[in-house]
Amino acid sequence: DIVMTQSPDSLAVSLGERATINCKSSQSVFYSSNNKNYLAWYQQKPGQPPKLLIYWASTRESGVPDRFSGSGSGTDFTLTISSLQAEDVAVYYCQHYYNTPLTFGPGTKVDIK
Amino acid sequence: EVQLLESGGGLVQPGGSLRLSCAASGFTFSTHAMSWVRQAPGKGLEWVSGISGRDGSTYYTDSVKGRFTISRDNSKNTLYLQMTSLRAEDTAVYYCAKGNNFYSGYQNWFGPWGQGTLVTVSS
Repeated sequence: DIVMTQSPDSLAVSLGERATINCKSSQSVFYSSNNKNYLAWYQQKPGQPPKLLIYWASTRESGVPDRFSGSGSGTDFTLTISSLQAEDVAVYYCQHYYNTPLTFGPGTKVDIK
Repeated sequence: EVQLLESGGGLVQPGGSLRLSCAASGFTFSTHAMSWVRQAPGKGLEWVSGISGRDGSTYYTDSVKGRFTISRDNSKNTLYLQMTSLRAEDTAVYYCAKGNNFYSGYQNWFGPWGQGTLVTVSS
């Protein structure tokens, strides 16, 4: 199974400042046949289901604010919130979809400082 | 608007069974893979099972193989999860999630998700 890890476990950022979350997979999730990284990011607010933010490691889902961006390739990925807003307080998860079983990272909690 | 509405959760004794349902609307159900993802209280997300849109191929995480069965009825736009031999560690909110892929039952990202249904396994 591919193990997903995230760092940090939690972070507190001032409003308007940058938040950076890292995700690492235990093996590459890059398919050379189509040049794509099989990696997604989700946001989960308290009492709500997860919401898709990013897929193919860097493609923003329709309707997601452009302050959210994804980057990385192979085994190392990053979710960046360029200017943190109050509504971004949530837990963020990465997920690979390279093979089965699909696995998620343990989550990173983002709060306001 | 895509809507996914789960039902069927509840309290069940260890060793018991439950069938979860997920009624889908707002998209062409038959052309999308679907999955169940669970979240134990206060914990992270765990993919449980997926089913392809193309041929109904099914996939499971190891901890539920032989106990859970995923299925779909495209005529009713409904996804199911039959759960048997339930254990305390199966206690979780179970989410139904729409996959992006028609062909693969597991190479999917998920969006949107339903609101979830709580399954509690306890005596």
